[in-house]
Amino acid sequence: GAVVSQHPSWVICKSGTSVKIECRSLDFQATTMFWYRQFPKQSLMLMATSNEGSKATYEQGVEKDKFLINHASLTLSTLTVTSAHPEDSSFYICSASNTGSSYNEQFFGPGTRLTVL
Amino acid sequence: QQPVQSPQAVILREGEDAVINCSSSKALYSVHWYRQKHGEAPVFLMILLKGGEQKGHEKISASFNEKKQQSSLYLTASQLSYSGTYFCGTTGGGADGLTFGKGTHLIIQP
Repeated sequence: GAVVSQHPSWVICKSGTSVKIECRSLDFQATTMFWYRQFPKQSLMLMATSNEGSKATYEQGVEKDKFLINHASLTLSTLTVTSAHPEDSSFYICSASNTGSSYNEQFFGPGTRLTVL
Repeated sequence: QQPVQSPQAVILREGEDAVINCSSSKALYSVHWYRQKHGEAPVFLMILLKGGEQKGHEKISASFNEKKQQSSLYLTASQLSYSGTYFCGTTGGGADGLTFGKGTHLIIQP
């Protein structure tokens, strides 16, 4: 149980294009999902909190107009990197909070490696 | 604020034990421990809540000192598969995203 998928697993795009990343909880409902970014040899940094049916909450320094988040259902959240630039190249990982559990564990998807040329 | 992990790196022989520490400067609601292998997503190991509850894998143990805002992860009789980077993530509330430490690199040698 507690499986989270992400799609695509990797993407290479040209500078200026937009990229959409999907995050799905496969066997549990997740009222809350989180998006993280990890640069090489660094820790994971929380970008935003995604709540089903409401606007996402962004961490300080994260541009909400650049990183669009939609959480349309209890099992799906999407992150769209708009007008991507080389500095946006990173490993993007989502996690889903098991709100059916009193512990609120977070389970991570396999990540999406974005390379912007 | 980012929790502080120690040590930064550990090299062990298979079968040896290790302790990884995580310390925060702010009050914590929960501490989450993950292991990440190169190029992969973090894998959930354990969660410890304020008040004493915890949940995790059978072979992993951890402690959470709420007053000191510290947690420790105990790896006993280490196996080669334990190699990777261990992260602690902390929250100030139940529905918060995680603030991760910089990680502890663990290398297990045969």
